[in-house]
Amino acid sequence: SQELEQSPQSLIVQEGKNLTINCTSSKTLYGLYWYKQKYGEGLIFLMMLQKGGEEKSHEKITAKLDEKKQQSSLHITASQPSHAGIYLCGADRGGSEKLVFGKGTKLTVNP
Amino acid sequence: GAVVSQHPSWVICKSGTSVKIECRSLDFQATTMFWYRQFPKQSLMLMATSNEGSKATYEQGVEKDKFLINHASLTLSTLTVTSAHPEDSSFYICSANTGEGIEQYFGPGTRLTVT
Repeated sequence: SQELEQSPQSLIVQEGKNLTINCTSSKTLYGLYWYKQKYGEGLIFLMMLQKGGEEKSHEKITAKLDEKKQQSSLHITASQPSHAGIYLCGADRGGSEKLVFGKGTKLTVNP
Repeated sequence: GAVVSQHPSWVICKSGTSVKIECRSLDFQATTMFWYRQFPKQSLMLMATSNEGSKATYEQGVEKDKFLINHASLTLSTLTVTSAHPEDSSFYICSANTGEGIEQYFGPGTRLTVT
């Protein structure tokens, strides 16, 4: 069964707008990863969250993990066309190094 | 640092033939590598965990005799799709762990098309 649910499945925004992508798990997350993927390419690591309530930022992207460690959000401020791609959240299965992924959120940023 | 490469980036083969995909860690040694498969508009699905010097561990539902994995060195793991069929057409991605944390570094992927 799918362990990670991402929403929305796709998102189209105008350049300069803010947006949020969510990742929800039915189980407690031991480690939550955010990756970006261009279609047909590999994954680019964005951020990893491990602690409840943790928040990390890199440039215009901020990721948060809730206190219960079952939901994470990825927020992009003042989006740019370069932010377009597929955003995937992944979670490790209790420290086993094996990752389970959500289906991804396709982001389109119109100039 | 922590760069992972894959070769080839894309391959087209005829049904019934075998195709080998290589995954290399370029600037670090990877005792563990992972192989994923991604169908269009689907998430990455872990196929197997490749450990240097030992047999790979396959996920439930993945045929080990069809997807042969060899982790011959600390920088190279290969995935061979044997007797490929059109339903094996997919995007195959490998990842590697540096051993210094739980972060995985992904290769650029290999698109396999079986005609």
